[in-house]
Amino acid sequence: NAGVTQTPKFQVLKTGQSMTLQCAQDMNHNSMYWYRQDPGMGLRLIYYSASEGTTDKGEVPNGYNVSRLNKREFSLRLESAAPSQTSVYFCASSADQPQHFGDGTRLSIL
Amino acid sequence: EDKVVQSPLSLVVHEGDTVTLNCSYEVTNFRSLLWYKQEKKAPTFLFMLTSSGIEKKSGRLSSILDKKELSSILNITATQTGDSAIYLCAVEISSNTGKLIFGQGTTLQVKP
Repeated sequence: NAGVTQTPKFQVLKTGQSMTLQCAQDMNHNSMYWYRQDPGMGLRLIYYSASEGTTDKGEVPNGYNVSRLNKREFSLRLESAAPSQTSVYFCASSADQPQHFGDGTRLSIL
Repeated sequence: EDKVVQSPLSLVVHEGDTVTLNCSYEVTNFRSLLWYKQEKKAPTFLFMLTSSGIEKKSGRLSSILDKKELSSILNITATQTGDSAIYLCAVEISSNTGKLIFGQGTTLQVKP
């Protein structure tokens, strides 16, 4: 029962470096989501994909891009990392509700 | 602007106590309200409340949706140290996309 798998689990970047966070789900879900979690701010939606072939911006999309590679995979890219992007990133997937979450990627930008 | 607010932001209790966590929302298109528990890693689903299912219970946990007051409560009775976690409230605002708006979370610490 893999569910939602995120890689890597931890990453440290320097300001200006680029990075792609990977997410894969094995539940045949149509919808996938990327969130970031900062202390005291709950989860904020970055981008989502309601179905294969579509992506849309969430609440905080600036500085990020996404690719829905196929039904299983949804990646998040930081083109030029900034210290403000230091956060824990969660990927989720769903057929309807509830959403199922991965274990997160802890990303630090120095 | 759609908004979900949780209170209190943090809470410390002793084992055996009963706690009530609050969630209020202002959204243009309410579809459902969900509660999640987050320990060290991924949030895990607890309950989903809708207009047709305003009360849910599982063991020591229960939740009620008040559509008139635009709010929900999560009750935990006879708390245990294993209940220590962040509790997240989220509101689904679109049936087409499944988008959720999350509150800030309530951090619960249960002391032995």
